[in-house]
Amino acid sequence: DAMVIQNPRYQVTQFGKPVTLSCSQTLNHNVMYWYQQKSSQAPKLLFHYYDKDFNNEADTPDNFQSRRPNTSFCFLDIRSPGLGDAAMYLCATSRDTGQGLHYGYTFGSGTRLTVV
Amino acid sequence: SQQGEEDPQALSIQEGENATMNCSYKTSINNLQWYRQNSGRGLVHLILIRSNEREKHSGRLRVTLDTSKKSSSLLITASRAADTASYFCATTTGGYQKVTFGTGTKLQVIP
Repeated sequence: DAMVIQNPRYQVTQFGKPVTLSCSQTLNHNVMYWYQQKSSQAPKLLFHYYDKDFNNEADTPDNFQSRRPNTSFCFLDIRSPGLGDAAMYLCATSRDTGQGLHYGYTFGSGTRLTVV
Repeated sequence: SQQGEEDPQALSIQEGENATMNCSYKTSINNLQWYRQNSGRGLVHLILIRSNEREKHSGRLRVTLDTSKKSSSLLITASRAADTASYFCATTTGGYQKVTFGTGTKLQVIP
């Protein structure tokens, strides 16, 4: 089944130690998104890739970076995780045909990041 | 920034009852979507309604949209325990696909 896969499901990292979360998709969608969701809050968009073009949200901390080496994969890098970065990180994809969003996003199951 | 606010924040009903959740938003939209999130999981897209549509159905789900009031509602009929989850509205604005999520309603369906 076509899907969005996030690895790992749970990630524990040390304060200040760089960590990378991964997302892969078999949907051939051209847009990929990273959201941060803290407990009982709405998902908050960090950035997205439209094809190879990176689009950062204005309030996304510099500590967060992303890479998209090809259509299928997208990575979220946290350079120096702080305790406040503990959250669920959600990857999502969509297809843009130039005529707006016709279908909803497809989300992965998320990676829950714990910072110790 | 938060585009949508949902009401109520939490809802507890008995199995078989209907559940209604409301979403209000601030700016003009292209479309509005509803998502479901089981605890500790990713979001699942339920339904998308365009700004020129007023009502849409999918199985036990009924979504309405009132652009004059900048509001939408999600009705789940004949609820089941498996419907227990958080439900988020999300809006798309401008010429782009970027989606902004509301604050969510936590639904508990008691067997």
